[in-house]
Amino acid sequence: AQKITQTQPGMFVQEKEAVTLDCTYDTSDQSYGLFWYKQPSSGEMIFLIYQGSYDEQNATEGRYSLNFQKARKSANLVISASQLGDSAMYFCAMRPSSGGFKTIFGAGTRLFVKA
Amino acid sequence: NAGVTQTPKFRILKIGQSMTLQCTQDMNHNYMYWYRQDPGMGLKLIYYSVGAGITDKGEVPNGYNVSRSTTEDFPLRLELAAPSQTSVYFCASSYSSGRGTGELFFGEGSRLTVL
Repeated sequence: AQKITQTQPGMFVQEKEAVTLDCTYDTSDQSYGLFWYKQPSSGEMIFLIYQGSYDEQNATEGRYSLNFQKARKSANLVISASQLGDSAMYFCAMRPSSGGFKTIFGAGTRLFVKA
Repeated sequence: NAGVTQTPKFRILKIGQSMTLQCTQDMNHNYMYWYRQDPGMGLKLIYYSVGAGITDKGEVPNGYNVSRSTTEDFPLRLELAAPSQTSVYFCASSYSSGRGTGELFFGEGSRLTVL
């Protein structure tokens, strides 16, 4: 069965510090994509970063990086130099190559950035 | 570029009423999806489509129907609304495999309340 697990319902981080949001996944597919999305209090869904299962390098996008450990089936999001605007819900998602390319989501982690 | 457009943004239904959530995209994406997000939770896949004329069930299809007569449009039909269908509904689209990363492009969401 395909599954995404985010074990941190809420996280606090001091402004300008780095924070890691945890994500583990379960799939029997060899080929899959991993994604992180941000949902601010306004409600829209914003794509942040992508990691392919065959990518050897960890993905980076500006202040976001994805710590991909394939053997452990983890895809943690690292946000460096946190800003107040980073306060939001963060969702880890997976798109297996089988089953019609459905993207499934974890339950999310709410990040609070303190000034 | 409009992207993914959902209507209505807000709707209140009485128990037993029916309605259709409209979704259209102008990016020529083959794949389209409907998700629901209950308060404080992640996104659950209701239905998805990999192209015109092809639809399939997601994780929580009961009480809903979809159709895909064109590439652009993917309406979601709620029959006999129930309080359990109170949620925020997101329509999303993506490129098919082999193009881009497969990230989802989301509409702004439709907040539905069933009383």
